[in-house]
Amino acid sequence: GEEVAQTPKHLVRGEGQKAKLYCAPIKGHSYVFWYQQVLKNEFKFLISFQNENVFDETGMPKERFSAKCLPNSPCSLEIQATKLEDSAVYFCASSQRVEVHEQYFGPGTRLTVT
Amino acid sequence: DAKTTQPPSMDCAEGRAANLPCNHSTISGNEYVYWYRQIHSQGPQYIIHGLKNNETNEMASLIITEDRKSSTLILPHATLRDTAVYYCIVMVREWNQGGKLIFGQGTELSVKP
Repeated sequence: GEEVAQTPKHLVRGEGQKAKLYCAPIKGHSYVFWYQQVLKNEFKFLISFQNENVFDETGMPKERFSAKCLPNSPCSLEIQATKLEDSAVYFCASSQRVEVHEQYFGPGTRLTVT
Repeated sequence: DAKTTQPPSMDCAEGRAANLPCNHSTISGNEYVYWYRQIHSQGPQYIIHGLKNNETNEMASLIITEDRKSSTLILPHATLRDTAVYYCIVMVREWNQGGKLIFGQGTELSVKP
């Protein structure tokens, strides 16, 4: 497809529950990026993939967060044992090349931890 | 990556030019200036980028000062749909950077009728 698709649009989890978010990159794009936006203007890079391989995971919290991009499946971001501070909008972006200006963002998944 | 400074908010009248400034006084010679915007909690959208020459595309113009310490994004005829948070990002294009975007606080532009 021509757009990055993210599901679900909204996700509500009780503290301690697991949350799993999905991202389908634009067809033909090799790179996938995950970002977290906690407050209105505060973005944080989490992790990126080149196909199914982790490309850069320097922003990924070591505990509770994991991500995968498997062939022929949407990419996923999973949070084990969610905390209130995980409440945020999680954006996925995809790119055909590692070029800053070629990242196309999805609509985001709003995670609310109660 | 160089730090950027942007005003937190600006207003602009519909139909007028919106000029959004960005200071990046510690920019390195190989760092580019990129602009993205985020409309009402949608995913960020790329606008334009440049190294040292002024650039123009169908969305906007980018003016970079000769010493490259500051730049201005110009939306020539702002519409209500241009109301958004605009992010100025300065970074290198080296392939091993990973292409990750480092967003600052941005400027919240309100276009008013």
